[in-house]
Amino acid sequence: SQTIHQWPATLVQPVGSPLSLECTVEGTSNPNLYWYRQAAGRGLQLLFYSVGIGQISSEVPQNLSASRPQDRQFILSSKKLLLSDSGFYLCAWSKGLAGLRDEQFFGPGTRLTVL
Amino acid sequence: AQKITQTQPGMFVQEKEAVTLDCTYDTSDPSYGLFWYKQPSSGEMIFLIYQGSYDQQNATEGRYSLNFQKARKSANLVISASQLGDSAMYFCAMREGLSSGGSNYKLTFGKGTLLTVNP
Repeated sequence: SQTIHQWPATLVQPVGSPLSLECTVEGTSNPNLYWYRQAAGRGLQLLFYSVGIGQISSEVPQNLSASRPQDRQFILSSKKLLLSDSGFYLCAWSKGLAGLRDEQFFGPGTRLTVL
Repeated sequence: AQKITQTQPGMFVQEKEAVTLDCTYDTSDPSYGLFWYKQPSSGEMIFLIYQGSYDQQNATEGRYSLNFQKARKSANLVISASQLGDSAMYFCAMREGLSSGGSNYKLTFGKGTLLTVNP
């Protein structure tokens, strides 16, 4: 069976500090990978998605970046965090099936607080 | 305009009763998919049920069913025989087809409904 891991689970960082959140998927190969952010009391906003190693698409311009150095590894980074970067970050994967029914399966999330 | 609207910020239901969570959507694409996810207090998003725009029948998955009314652009989630463990946030989401010009990978989420099941 497939599992998705995210770490750290919680993170408190000062404004202006760098960020690195990691996501790995087990039990599947060549998944589509996604990074979402959920602000308090809001729905999820897609930040980045990747259909393969080194292939990153950005949905929202911001001071965040993403990388996919290995097939099942997805990293979210920032050089300098802003207060507005606080939120709950969720990584997700899907099989990359053709058509609309390509369910996304989510990791446990990272709660980031920028002070 | 919002693509996904969930008008109920919070809902309460007695254990063992059924509850309907509302979701309306906005798209001009004839091809789209609708998803419901559950988010317990732990934070993880759990996929519940899917309805395609061309599906002839309403989707069902165990105690979850979807009341899909295409002309009204609504896709309400019905939970039968509520359990205490059903207490969570519930999100409706949509993926539009490529004719909308957007990413086929993007799920657009509503703001969610917080369901509380009372014993």
